[in-house]
Amino acid sequence: DAGVTQSPTHLIKTRGQHVTLRCSPISGHKSVSWYQQVLGQGPQFIFQYYEKEERGRGNFPDRFSARQFPNYSSELNVNALLLGDSALYLCASSLDLNTEAFFGQGTRLTVV
Amino acid sequence: GQQVMQIPQYQHVQEGEDFTTYCNSSTTLSNIQWYKQRPGGHPVFLIQLVKSGEVKKQKRLTFQFGEAKKNSSLHITATQTTDVGTYFCAGLRSNDYKLSFGAGTTVTVRA
Repeated sequence: DAGVTQSPTHLIKTRGQHVTLRCSPISGHKSVSWYQQVLGQGPQFIFQYYEKEERGRGNFPDRFSARQFPNYSSELNVNALLLGDSALYLCASSLDLNTEAFFGQGTRLTVV
Repeated sequence: GQQVMQIPQYQHVQEGEDFTTYCNSSTTLSNIQWYKQRPGGHPVFLIQLVKSGEVKKQKRLTFQFGEAKKNSSLHITATQTTDVGTYFCAGLRSNDYKLSFGAGTTVTVRA
């Protein structure tokens, strides 16, 4: 079985642009979560989706949005990019809301 | 909001020695999870602790969950070079299922 896959792996954007990151969960997993990891810090929770509904939201501005599709894949959108949005964006899937998370390799976003 | 504190931030260990990393939450947790992230990699799940006072072992790694379900520890014995990486604890709240990560303990090993 394939693990969690994320695309793209690397991305360079200019300030003010928007970006869409994609995630495919492990087959059978219904929950997808998004995290932002800045170098030297732990992953910071952005969103959790379960059965296509938002079930949790972290302390991120409204420029960040996400959705989960009927096939359980997910997209994270960030509008009006700032330099401070440069980070590794991790997607994690889990079987349920309170089970262990399996992370993808992440998308390295650089905003210039 | 919930905060998960993890100490120490860095752990430099002589190969063969033991060490412990500690994790404390400001709120009671539904469960606590431990992850390991190698340099340039992504977090990889190690273990989940659910019950108050629970202890679990994986070879040279021993994980504990406190009686109050607010703290946890990871003890590694006879450290090896393969133990290099950053170890994160992550606490799951029962009311909203947000998984909050600590800042991690970055382990380096002297041969």
